[in-house]
Amino acid sequence: QSVVTQPPSASGTPGQRVTISCSGSTSNIGSNYVSWYQQFPGTAPKVLIYRNDQRPSGVPDRFSGSKSGTSASLAISGLRSEDESDYYCAAWDDSLSGVVFGGGTKLTVL
Amino acid sequence: QVQLQQSGPGLVEPSQTLSLTCAISGDSVSSNSATWNWIRQSPSRGLEWLGRTYYRSRLYNDYAVSVKSRITINPDTSKNQFSLQLNSVTPDDTAVYYCARGLRLGQFDYWGQGTPVTVSS
Repeated sequence: QSVVTQPPSASGTPGQRVTISCSGSTSNIGSNYVSWYQQFPGTAPKVLIYRNDQRPSGVPDRFSGSKSGTSASLAISGLRSEDESDYYCAAWDDSLSGVVFGGGTKLTVL
Repeated sequence: QVQLQQSGPGLVEPSQTLSLTCAISGDSVSSNSATWNWIRQSPSRGLEWLGRTYYRSRLYNDYAVSVKSRITINPDTSKNQFSLQLNSVTPDDTAVYYCARGLRLGQFDYWGQGTPVTVSS
């Protein structure tokens, strides 16, 4: 059972806007930065969002992040077939003194 | 461009020690602005952070509670690499192991290619 909770699956049609949630607690999301990762089968995760809402260079602005209290969200607008992937949130946990990852959300583009 | 190249065996016998190395190019293991992490992934555990090593005037190490009694992460400044040792492994330690660079704002921006490790006799 992950300390940080994500829905196991999400879906949308091309062009649609999809949101993936990440729920934690005051010791992790509530007091530390959240980052988001995209992972395709057989490859390492790639950072999409850091410091809650910042995009590294090269990440399309279709991807955006937000945080409120002990929850965070990743939004993908103008959904494309190539966005079909697994998405993970992560944050430092002060109680555990370590990084915690969400269980991951598998996004399907219908 | 930072690159992380992992090496190590893909098969470890139960009760033995899992040892992996991550060679760094494009950055330094003694950097004062990065951390050097090991993360693993399995179907049962998902992505699991194992620990990190980093320098901030002196050497620091942080380990996940779940493996704290069995893990050692060491930097090797002469070879610009860092290593993972996980003792007394069981089949539950079977996973893909990744090394990754961490930055001050918490993100892991560069990852190794991943090493599938199976614990089996």
